[in-house]
Amino acid sequence: AQKITQTQPGMFVQEKEAVTLDCTYDTSDPSYGLFWYKQPSSGEMIFLIYQGSYDQQNATEGRYSLNFQKARKSANLVISASQLGDSAMYFCAMRSISGGYNKLIFGAGTRLAVHP
Amino acid sequence: NAGVTQTPKFQVLKTGQSMTLQCAQDMNHEYMSWYRQDPGMGLRLIHYSVGAGITDQGEVPNGYNVSRSTTEDFPLRLLSAAPSQTSVYFCASSREGTQYFGPGTRLLVL
Repeated sequence: AQKITQTQPGMFVQEKEAVTLDCTYDTSDPSYGLFWYKQPSSGEMIFLIYQGSYDQQNATEGRYSLNFQKARKSANLVISASQLGDSAMYFCAMRSISGGYNKLIFGAGTRLAVHP
Repeated sequence: NAGVTQTPKFQVLKTGQSMTLQCAQDMNHEYMSWYRQDPGMGLRLIHYSVGAGITDQGEVPNGYNVSRSTTEDFPLRLLSAAPSQTSVYFCASSREGTQYFGPGTRLLVL
């Protein structure tokens, strides 16, 4: 069965520090994709970063990077130089070939609070 | 380019009423999906479509119907609303995997 696990219900970090949000996944498909979305208090889902299972390098998008460890089946999100606006819920999600392009499986999320 | 739009933003229904949640996208994406988000949980897939005229069930399809007559529109119908359908509903569209979400519809069923 395909599953996403986010073990940190809540995290806090001081402004300007880096923070890592954990995500582990379970799939038997050889080809899959991993996503991170941000959900601020306003409720919208904002795409942050994507990592393909065959990508050789870890994905980066500005202050966001994805620490992809395939053997451990982990895809942790690293936010560098945290800002107050980073306070939000963060969801890890997975898409696999057998599931089809439309089928994203989400974790329960991690609530991040950035303190000044 | 409006992206993915959803209407209404908020709706209150009585048990047994029916309604349609609207979703439209202007990015010419083939794939569209509906998810629901319950408190303390991630999003769960209700129904999805890989193109006009083609729909399929997701993880939690019971109580919902969809149709896809055009590429742009993907409405979600609640046939007979139940309190268990109180949730936030998100529509999403994609072309090659990355899904872009609408702003959501908050539904309360009394």
